[in-house]
Amino acid sequence: GNSVTQMEGPVTLSEEAFLTINCTYTATGYPSLFWYVQYPGEGLQLLLKATKADDKGSNKGFEATYRKETTSFHLEKGSVQVSDSAVYFCARQAAGNKLTFGGGTRVLVKP
Amino acid sequence: DTGVSQDPRHKITKRGQNVTFRCDPISEHNRLYWYRQTLGQGPEFLTYFQNEAQLEKSRLLSDRFSAERPKGSFSTLEIQRTEQGDSAMYLCASSLDLNTEAFFGQGTRLTVV
Repeated sequence: GNSVTQMEGPVTLSEEAFLTINCTYTATGYPSLFWYVQYPGEGLQLLLKATKADDKGSNKGFEATYRKETTSFHLEKGSVQVSDSAVYFCARQAAGNKLTFGGGTRVLVKP
Repeated sequence: DTGVSQDPRHKITKRGQNVTFRCDPISEHNRLYWYRQTLGQGPEFLTYFQNEAQLEKSRLLSDRFSAERPKGSFSTLEIQRTEQGDSAMYLCASSLDLNTEAFFGQGTRLTVV
């Protein structure tokens, strides 16, 4: 079936460290891929997306590249801030524009 | 536009009671989705509407669950005879149409005691 697998957290980092959160997906075809972020006490927000192979989504210093050959969409940020502490969800589009989410990765950035 | 609005934000109910949640999507958004998120997990799809038509229901949506979107605007999700396993965050999202970004509400947290 169609699923999304992302690395389990929590991930604890120091400010200005490099962040990578791995995400892989299974799918037929080439679904659009997304990263959503959930800050404490807030709803899910779209962080970035990519709609076809080799596309790179980017926003707020975060990047992720749609890799068809490895069915991956890893999230990266070169220098994290305390304000990046949140739960990050990888997701893929399914039929009807509904989303299939990974289990989420909690990131804690310490000053 | 204030985004997707959900009410209530929190609900505590006794097992066996019925509960109803409301979602107001972004105006003019044709598609409305319901998801459920249990602690430490990602959201799981429940059902979605195109205008007032309910187009798909997940197997997670047992016969105790019913969702409506009577006029193609706001939606309600009702859970009858609640069980402790129903405790979760219920998320609503809306999108303008197919293949457009889905915007999420802040969710309704249900606790069944």
